[in-house]
Amino acid sequence: AQKITQTQPGMFVQEKEAVTLDCTYDTSDPSYGLFWYKQPSSGEMIFLIYQGSYDQQNATEGRYSLNFQKARKSANLVISASQLGDSAMYFCAMREGLQGAQKLVFGQGTRLTINP
Amino acid sequence: EAQVTQNPRYLITVTGKKLTVTCSQNMNHEYMSWYRQDPGLGLRQIYYSMNVEVTDKGDVPEGYKVSRKEKRNFPLILESPSPNQTSLYFCASSFAPPSGTNGYTFGSGTRLTVV
Repeated sequence: AQKITQTQPGMFVQEKEAVTLDCTYDTSDPSYGLFWYKQPSSGEMIFLIYQGSYDQQNATEGRYSLNFQKARKSANLVISASQLGDSAMYFCAMREGLQGAQKLVFGQGTRLTINP
Repeated sequence: EAQVTQNPRYLITVTGKKLTVTCSQNMNHEYMSWYRQDPGLGLRQIYYSMNVEVTDKGDVPEGYKVSRKEKRNFPLILESPSPNQTSLYFCASSFAPPSGTNGYTFGSGTRLTVV
């Protein structure tokens, strides 16, 4: 079974609108971490935001926020006031356990296109 | 500048010709990992290393080898490449384990084509 599921292969959004990228995860470990990465067309992986399973508040980093719903096992990325430069591939990833298997498990990705 | 350096960025090779993709980090990270990225599959872990001389298999290790003789270097070796190893490869490092303050730092990627 997929540990990380991103159900939106592609999304098209008008510039300046907010956008939500979906991510659901599957784990039985009470301690885990959730990450979002951005991959522009140049190919590099850029870390955006992190949410720990015990964090009481939703993570925020500038225009990025993570809508963490633990009971639903979802960790959606919200980008406010989208910009043309936000067009990229976005990956959700999970680390299980404090020491765990020492790896991030990635979802399939969502390609976001911002239209002017 | 803190970074993970992969070389080469692009490589086209023929089936069966041994190759090595180098990875070096200058952040004194204990933890290093290799991933491959394929369309529709996201990134999948090939091998990882928790410290010098400590390596272990990830999810897709077949056809690959790694070594960690020095803390900064973690080369990926394809002894006999095959076309199904055509992919985009990423090296990543962190202070173990990856977390919000110790998130992975990724290299720029190596696009490998095996013909």
